Amino acid sequence: GAVVSQHPSWVICKSGTSVKIECRSLDFQATTMFWYRQFPKQSLMLMATSNEGSKATYEQGVEKDKFLINHASLTLSTLTVTSAHPEDSSFYICSAPDKWPPYEQYFGPGTRLTVT
Amino acid sequence: DQQVKQNSPSLSVQEGRISILNCDYTNSMFDYFLWYKKYPAEGPTFLISISSIKDKNEDGRFTVFLNKSAKHLSLHIVPSQPGDSAVYFCAASEGGTYKYIFGTGTRLKVLA
Repeated sequence: GAVVSQHPSWVICKSGTSVKIECRSLDFQATTMFWYRQFPKQSLMLMATSNEGSKATYEQGVEKDKFLINHASLTLSTLTVTSAHPEDSSFYICSAPDKWPPYEQYFGPGTRLTVT
Repeated sequence: DQQVKQNSPSLSVQEGRISILNCDYTNSMFDYFLWYKKYPAEGPTFLISISSIKDKNEDGRFTVFLNKSAKHLSLHIVPSQPGDSAVYFCAASEGGTYKYIFGTGTRLKVLA
């Protein structure tokens, strides 16, 4: 099946710094990728839709200037958490479909971000 | 406002018996539903899906039932195995958007 990877799997950063998380589709091309956030014991919340070659579409309530998304190629999307604060600590997961319509999506293993 | 709800946060089932996980939704525009399985610190793994034009879809030990009038779907696992122990999320997509709205998850524990 299709494989999606994320890097890093775990990162700790100091408050005020920026952190970049990569999402890669390893064996397929993904013109669209999705970024989710999961708080402990809660559901996955869609943050934004990343589109190759164009601007990301953010969900209501998500600060686009804080969560910068760049879909640089057909296999790579990055999420940069700028000026991170402790409340940004969370589990970030990306997903990508391997075909269109993208009814079934493949998820990365997730990145645990801890801001101290 | 939680559009997709899984009212049972946890479920314990004996090995070999049936596991039934439930999911309710409020948005009548949802037309595609999926179940995902998730282990701690890992991304969700796709299990099974169903389109709103169907009321049942089966794949091996997994069967998903959809009751559109009740806005309810369920996942049946028969027979349950210890390896099925995980958190199960249902997700719904509104026609053409391909964006998933996830439920809050149900932690299934299959007892050997």
